[in-house]
Amino acid sequence: GQQVMQIPQYQHVQEGEDFTTYCNSSTTLSNIQWYKQRPGGHPVFLIQLVKSGEVKKQKRLTFQFGEAKKNSSLHITATQTTDVGTYFCAGREAGGSEKLVFGKGTKLTVNP
Amino acid sequence: DAGITQSPRHKVTETGTPVTLRCHQTENHRYMYWYRQDPGHGLRLIHYSYGVKDTDKGEVSDGYSVSRSKTEDFLLTLESATSSQTSVYFCAIRPSSGANVLTFGAGSRLTVL
Repeated sequence: GQQVMQIPQYQHVQEGEDFTTYCNSSTTLSNIQWYKQRPGGHPVFLIQLVKSGEVKKQKRLTFQFGEAKKNSSLHITATQTTDVGTYFCAGREAGGSEKLVFGKGTKLTVNP
Repeated sequence: DAGITQSPRHKVTETGTPVTLRCHQTENHRYMYWYRQDPGHGLRLIHYSYGVKDTDKGEVSDGYSVSRSKTEDFLLTLESATSSQTSVYFCAIRPSSGANVLTFGAGSRLTVL
């Protein structure tokens, strides 16, 4: 079945450093979504990418969707302590699948 | 998030006992999902529903059953709980049109002793 792999599993940075997490799917995706989960909280939707090669920005966060629609990345510029949490990508297989498959997440800690 | 509640939020039970977790929404969304979250495994889909009485299995459905007798409620049942089912369970909802994204509940932490 469809698999979504996400790396790294953990990332510890100093405040002000950049951070990137990568997501790769075993199958072509119709879209990819990113969620953030704060410690002790629940996943919260950040963004959805649909088009091949799409790039979207939210302030210091930059999201990319690969040309082949099988990979994606999230880059945070100049991390802040408020960025702490686990970032998940989630992909829906092309062809109308209802199932959204999540990567295992990247846990980000930021040292002030 | 407003519009989706899970109950109970915390439960401790013993191996072999039945457990039912409830997800209630006030958004009238068509789709409802149950995920479990475990360290090192991320979020894994257990079951989902695409309408009243319409459900389907996810990737880790063994040992779980679900029911949806009305739009607003989606129940997850562990017929005979095992220690491997100790986890945090998240319910999620999404509408049938518009933004194709999930809204998660606050989670239910289940411990099976």
